[in-house]
Amino acid sequence: GAVVSQHPSRVICKSGTSVKIECRSLDFQATTMFWYRQFPKQSLMLMATSNEGSKATYEQGVEKDKFLINHASLTLSTLTVTSAHPEDSSFYICSARDQGDTQYFGPGTRLTVL
Amino acid sequence: EDQVTQSPEALRLQEGESSSLNCSYTVSGLRGLFWYRQDPGKGPEFLFTLYSAGEEKEKERLKATLTKKESFLHITAPKPEDSATYLCAVGDDKIIFGKGTRLHILP
Repeated sequence: GAVVSQHPSRVICKSGTSVKIECRSLDFQATTMFWYRQFPKQSLMLMATSNEGSKATYEQGVEKDKFLINHASLTLSTLTVTSAHPEDSSFYICSARDQGDTQYFGPGTRLTVL
Repeated sequence: EDQVTQSPEALRLQEGESSSLNCSYTVSGLRGLFWYRQDPGKGPEFLFTLYSAGEEKEKERLKATLTKKESFLHITAPKPEDSATYLCAVGDDKIIFGKGTRLHILP
């Protein structure tokens, strides 16, 4: 149980385009999902907390107009990187919290902006 | 300021050589302490949640313990497939991750 999927696993795009990443909890409902960013050999940095049916809460320094988050249902959250630039290239990982306190992570999405 | 510190940063062991990884923390609100395993290019895989001092949990060759200020992840007789980065995280509504310990088990 407690499986979280992410799609796509890898995306390469041109500078200026927008990219949408989906995060799904496959076998449980998640009222809260989280989006992280991870640079090589660094730990996970929380970008935003996504609550079903309400606006996401962004961490300090994260541009909400650039990283659009939608949590449309109890099993789906999406992250859209708008007008992506090379500095947005990174490994993006989502997690979903179950009825307890544990976060289960997706496999991650490698974004490369040319 | 909330902080999670893991040590050592990297650890190389011979197959079968037992050791422990440390996670020390200072946080304002502790709902739980979490251990994850992360392989290169993948998302973290959940291992354990600990809630109170004195609690212990085991899974195969791994055992996690918790005190009021730190947690240990003990690995007994490790195998090469245990090589990974082990992440500790603590928190309340949001969790804060340590930088991880990169564990390499030599055959």
